Amino acid sequence: DAKTTQPPSMDCAEGRAANLPCNHSTISGNEYVYWYRQIHSQGPQYIIHGLKNNETNEMASLIITEDRKSSTLILPHATLRDTAVYYCIVRAIYNQGGKLIFGQGTELSVKP
Amino acid sequence: GAGVSQTPSNKVTEKGKYVELRCDPISGHTALYWYRQSLGQGPEFLIYFQGTGAADDSGLPNDRFFAVRPEGSVSTLKIQRTERGDSAVYLCASSPGPSTYNEQFFGPGTRLTVL
Repeated sequence: DAKTTQPPSMDCAEGRAANLPCNHSTISGNEYVYWYRQIHSQGPQYIIHGLKNNETNEMASLIITEDRKSSTLILPHATLRDTAVYYCIVRAIYNQGGKLIFGQGTELSVKP
Repeated sequence: GAGVSQTPSNKVTEKGKYVELRCDPISGHTALYWYRQSLGQGPEFLIYFQGTGAADDSGLPNDRFFAVRPEGSVSTLKIQRTERGDSAVYLCASSPGPSTYNEQFFGPGTRLTVL
């Protein structure tokens, strides 16, 4: 699975959009981009995933660049409860067993 | 419905002792994963079960670590002759199947401290 690079930390004002970038320049055509987050003292939680089209669900939007070398997770109206570590993960479509390879993630602090 | 549960939530042991950590996955989930998370790091994959069998144990750090899932539901991670470096949060996750398309549901973890 391709390696990802994320900024170690970011701040966001409550109510504003949080835009979390991820670089995955070595991604191959059969690899998905996944996002999980981990709130303090909890297990990671799935947010969203995509292959090449932009995706949106009730939690967030995922924007993948046309060359697929980077992506951005968007939390449209961040709340204090969105304070967490956000992990961008690349997984092959045929990843046998589906194990997740986590990096160090981005620690997002939402401030009032 | 009930999520993934792990027991105990905290375990303190002495160096050299044996410990068992338990994971109860979501009912009906055939895939089960163990991860280990050291302070300030992302979770690190240990082992994956599909049903009763360990399909991928490439993440187990050495032969002191062993895991079982005898009936295809509950799993136990066993650590022999614990060392201080084994101190970490041990996370369990389950999934409806092993497909990349399936999200993994994580438990709250067991915090292991080896003194």
